Formats: sequence, structure tokens, C-alpha cells
Amino acid sequence: DTGVSQDPRHKITKRGQNVTFRCDPISEHNRLYWYRQTLGQGPEFLTYFQNEAQLEKSRLLSNRFSAERPKGSFSTLEIQRTEQGDSAMYLCASSFPAGDPNTGELFFGEGSRLTVL
Amino acid sequence: QKEVEQDPGPLSVPEGAIVSLNCTYSNSAFQYFMWYRQYSRKGPELLMYTYSSGNKEDGRFTAQVDKSSKYISLFIRDSQPSDSATYLCAMSGYSSASKIIFGSGTRLSIRP
Repeated sequence: DTGVSQDPRHKITKRGQNVTFRCDPISEHNRLYWYRQTLGQGPEFLTYFQNEAQLEKSRLLSNRFSAERPKGSFSTLEIQRTEQGDSAMYLCASSFPAGDPNTGELFFGEGSRLTVL
Repeated sequence: QKEVEQDPGPLSVPEGAIVSLNCTYSNSAFQYFMWYRQYSRKGPELLMYTYSSGNKEDGRFTAQVDKSSKYISLFIRDSQPSDSATYLCAMSGYSSASKIIFGSGTRLSIRP
């Protein structure tokens, strides 16, 4: 399978616990994005990377959220001290390099669903 | 005010009808306009991609962009039950390197 893969697909945790999600992008893509999606809403931008550099982080993102892409390949998204409001689908997407005419096409994984009890 | 506004629906039409989906936006810096389709429990997938104003056609799908009105549309001709999904408009800024912002999505149902 050469698509974007995310792990785990579903995580149930208690409020206050830390959780980490992993995303493996398509290998030739150097851009990687994290979005959050709640029921009935579109994906909300969280952050994105070009190679290992984090280029932008949403102002809406609390400092409990941190994302890394240490070697420019896979990425992790960690949420510390989870709250019930963090319950959502966390989507990862990757794309071709900037300047490529197809940069607008994001290839999404199937998401990691977080439920905070 | 959100940067991108989209009517959430739901929208239900009979098979074969022409469907019109729309978004408005407030940021005049947006230059790239996209429509994604999302089936239940799946990630979004790109349907149409246009740069600046104008029309683009791909099979039964036509995307229109009117930058003067900050309004974009997606038309689906001869709609099929398999078109039932959530349709998300998305856009990004002055460079193709900018982040992509999504609308809230319109849920569409095509009745056989």
C-alpha cells in the first residue's frame, strides 16, 4: 500500500492522559499536514511541514499539542493532558513539493479517531 | 467570521438531477481553489483543482470560480447514487506553498 497511513485508527483515553498519533506519508511527498475534523465540520488546519521543518502552526492550537517530523519522513502528533474537547478525527495528508503544479492535491490518510472520556 | 463559508446541507436530490454546491470566502489572497469529496469514515479525496478565476470541466463535474464575488461553485450533472458524500471546498493563498483551508462541507444524498 503506497498511500498515507495513520496509526492508531482509533484511540480511547481518559481525560488527562497523553496520546500520540503517527503518520507515514507517501514517500515522494515532502509536505505533510495535520488537520482535525469534528462531526459535521470540515478539516481544521493544525500544522504542516516541509521536510523536517514545521512551516506553520495554527494559532488555535493549544500548547498541549506538539508535532514533529524528525527525519522528514514520518510525523507524530502528541496531545498532552487530553481534554474531552480534543475528541475528534485527526487527519494526516501529504503532497508534492512546493512549486509543483499539483501541490494543491492533498492525499489524506483514513485518520486517527480520538475519544476522550 | 470564518475565512470559508459553506452551506452544510443536507442536500437530497433525485438521481439524474443537476447538483449545485457553493462556497464563499473572505480572503482575497486565495488563488487556488479545490473541491474534495469525503465518503463516510474516509479521508477526503481531490475532485477538482482550479487556479484563479474561470471554469474547469472534468466529466460530469464543473468547477467555477468568480474571484470578484469571492464565490466558487461545483456542478454535478447526471447525478448518481454513488455521488452521495460530503463535498468540501478548499482554497489556498498566493503561493501553492500556502496552507489549505477547508469549508465545513455539504452533505449530499442522491436518491435512486
